[in-house]
Amino acid sequence: QSALTQPASVSASAGQSITVSCTGTSNDVGTYDFVSWYQQHPDKAPKLIIYENTRRPSGLSSRFSGSKSGNTASLTISGLQPDDEADYFCCSYAGPGTSLYVFGTGTKVTVL
Amino acid sequence: QVQLQESGPGLVKSSQTLSLTCTVSGVSITTDGYYWNWIRQHPQKGLEWIGYIYNTRHPYYSLSLESRVTISVDTSNNRFSLKLTSVTAADTAVYYCARDNGGNEHAFGIWGPGAMVTVSS
Repeated sequence: QSALTQPASVSASAGQSITVSCTGTSNDVGTYDFVSWYQQHPDKAPKLIIYENTRRPSGLSSRFSGSKSGNTASLTISGLQPDDEADYFCCSYAGPGTSLYVFGTGTKVTVL
Repeated sequence: QVQLQESGPGLVKSSQTLSLTCTVSGVSITTDGYYWNWIRQHPQKGLEWIGYIYNTRHPYYSLSLESRVTISVDTSNNRFSLKLTSVTAADTAVYYCARDNGGNEHAFGIWGPGAMVTVSS
């Protein structure tokens, strides 16, 4: 069960939009609608920002949105702000008989 | 609100057993429908799910770690624990406890701050 593939880094200027991809397989992302995304600032615990592919936790900014097509999920951050600079990880449920949850390799988002 | 806090030794000798505890506040750990997880993050690397315990009695472990992992619940102290045997340098990581959202959403909505564990030779 391999880690989901994410780009190592993505950067854009403040106010712009970025999209981070998360590529899995037909055994995880492609089968289950349980992709979640986490934001992690340095030396902090991850924070849930998207679950079930597209849903946002209560109170989270609508600048964060998620989508999924086939074996690839995506996180879009619009109107980039300095505090959005962080690491972002995706995670997919992989079903019974597996290690259940597989995380992505992580993407460093830099706000220029 | 619900809060989690990891505790335990920050240094473990190679071949010994790593033991961590996650103390839960703001909700009873016996509340039905929640999965209590352990997740780790190797230095400068990604996250790895270790396992969970559900309804205090039903653990499920990562296939790559299941021969060395035990997760259990202490209901009297509202906490759950992780034991990882025969550790090596590869087990050096920040260990997080986390609770899912409930409702079978398969997302980790609440995390502890993390506990760094170093395995020394």
